[in-house]
Amino acid sequence: GAVVSQHPSWVICKSGTSVKIECRSLDFQATTMFWYRQFPKQSLMLMATSNEGSKATYEQGVEKDKFLINHASLTLSTLTVTSAHPEDSSFYICSAPKDRDYEQYFGPGTRLTVT
Amino acid sequence: KQEVTQIPAALSVPEGENLVLNCSFTDSAIYNLQWFRQDPGKGLTSLLLIQSSQREQTSGRLNASLDKSSGRSTLYIAASQPGDSATYLCAVTNSGYALNFGKGTSLLVTP
Repeated sequence: GAVVSQHPSWVICKSGTSVKIECRSLDFQATTMFWYRQFPKQSLMLMATSNEGSKATYEQGVEKDKFLINHASLTLSTLTVTSAHPEDSSFYICSAPKDRDYEQYFGPGTRLTVT
Repeated sequence: KQEVTQIPAALSVPEGENLVLNCSFTDSAIYNLQWFRQDPGKGLTSLLLIQSSQREQTSGRLNASLDKSSGRSTLYIAASQPGDSATYLCAVTNSGYALNFGKGTSLLVTP
């Protein structure tokens, strides 16, 4: 298999502050990574596609200025939640396809709580 | 837009029973379909991946089938155990390679 890590695994922040979440592919290179969000008792919803060396592609309804994505290397993508509000509290999880069969490998997720 | 539906939303069975979870999708132009397991408050564990050219995949007590033309997949769990209790998610990959998830089936296996 392949390993994807996320950091931090959980974070609590105050309303108005910014939080950065890292997603790393540990044993493979990923030109593309995906960021998902999961609200309680809901399924995972794609937020954006992170592309190494270029701008991220955001899904409809996701504010690109609020959720900043940077994919500066083939093994690291970061999601920054800017000016976080309590409604941003959610489970954020990233994934990356390793090879041509496009099997997705997921990070363990980051639980964000905004107070 | 791809829509993925999972039935039932919740299922409770006694230990030892065989069970089937259902997944349907509206756009048959998929690259693959994956079944995942998610424990409460945790991330995803990949169970099975079926490529669009395949009909089924097996891993231990799990068997997943794919009927791409009709937009259906089933996950069969044999001889269920309490440790199988979790939410099972079905997801399909279309162009762009991101996953479209169903809402999941919450499974409870009672001793």
